[in-house]
Amino acid sequence: DAKTTQPNSMESNEEEPVHLPCNHSTISGTDYIHWYRQLPSQGPEYVIHGLTSNVNNRMASLAIAEDRKSSTLILHRATLRDAAVYYCILRWGNTPLVFGKGTRLSVIA
Amino acid sequence: DTAVSQTPKYLVTQMGNDKSIKCEQNLGHDTMYWYKQDSKKFLKIMFSYNNKELIINETVPNRFSPKSPDKAHLNLHINSLELGDSAVYFCASSLPAGELFFGEGSRLTVL
Repeated sequence: DAKTTQPNSMESNEEEPVHLPCNHSTISGTDYIHWYRQLPSQGPEYVIHGLTSNVNNRMASLAIAEDRKSSTLILHRATLRDAAVYYCILRWGNTPLVFGKGTRLSVIA
Repeated sequence: DTAVSQTPKYLVTQMGNDKSIKCEQNLGHDTMYWYKQDSKKFLKIMFSYNNKELIINETVPNRFSPKSPDKAHLNLHINSLELGDSAVYFCASSLPAGELFFGEGSRLTVL
């Protein structure tokens, strides 16, 4: 299974940008990079995903390195509601998501 | 209108009992999943169903039996409950290769 490496925890001030890194040096050509997050006492929720190009949506941006061995999830202005565990996951086709430990993001008011 | 709903949200039971957790999705998705999140917060895939057929069954004890009466439902039945089964169980659904939508979870406590 392709694996990802993320820092255990990060901290951010409210209304500042947050860059959450993810290393995936063994990524294969058909793996998509997915990000999910889990707010306290809730199920995981989809954030964003991409293959090669950078992606933007209403929640976040995903910056993918040219060699695809790393990526960064960018929250442009962190709010208290963004405090969650963020998971970077490699997924091929219709395979289930395989979750790692993720990064616990704390947001300070 | 909840997309993926699970019942019950909380379940407290004794060791050795049999219990079920129900899951329904109203998104028209073909694929449904069961995940287990233990006390250390690790999320692990248990089962994956596509159009009512079992696709993936990870190393889960055969005390756990998923049942899919139709595409919109995937229920989880657990026989002879053990202390180690205490966890939060999440149901999810998706289109093929699409994003997963998770339910709010069912917290099972085995005493």
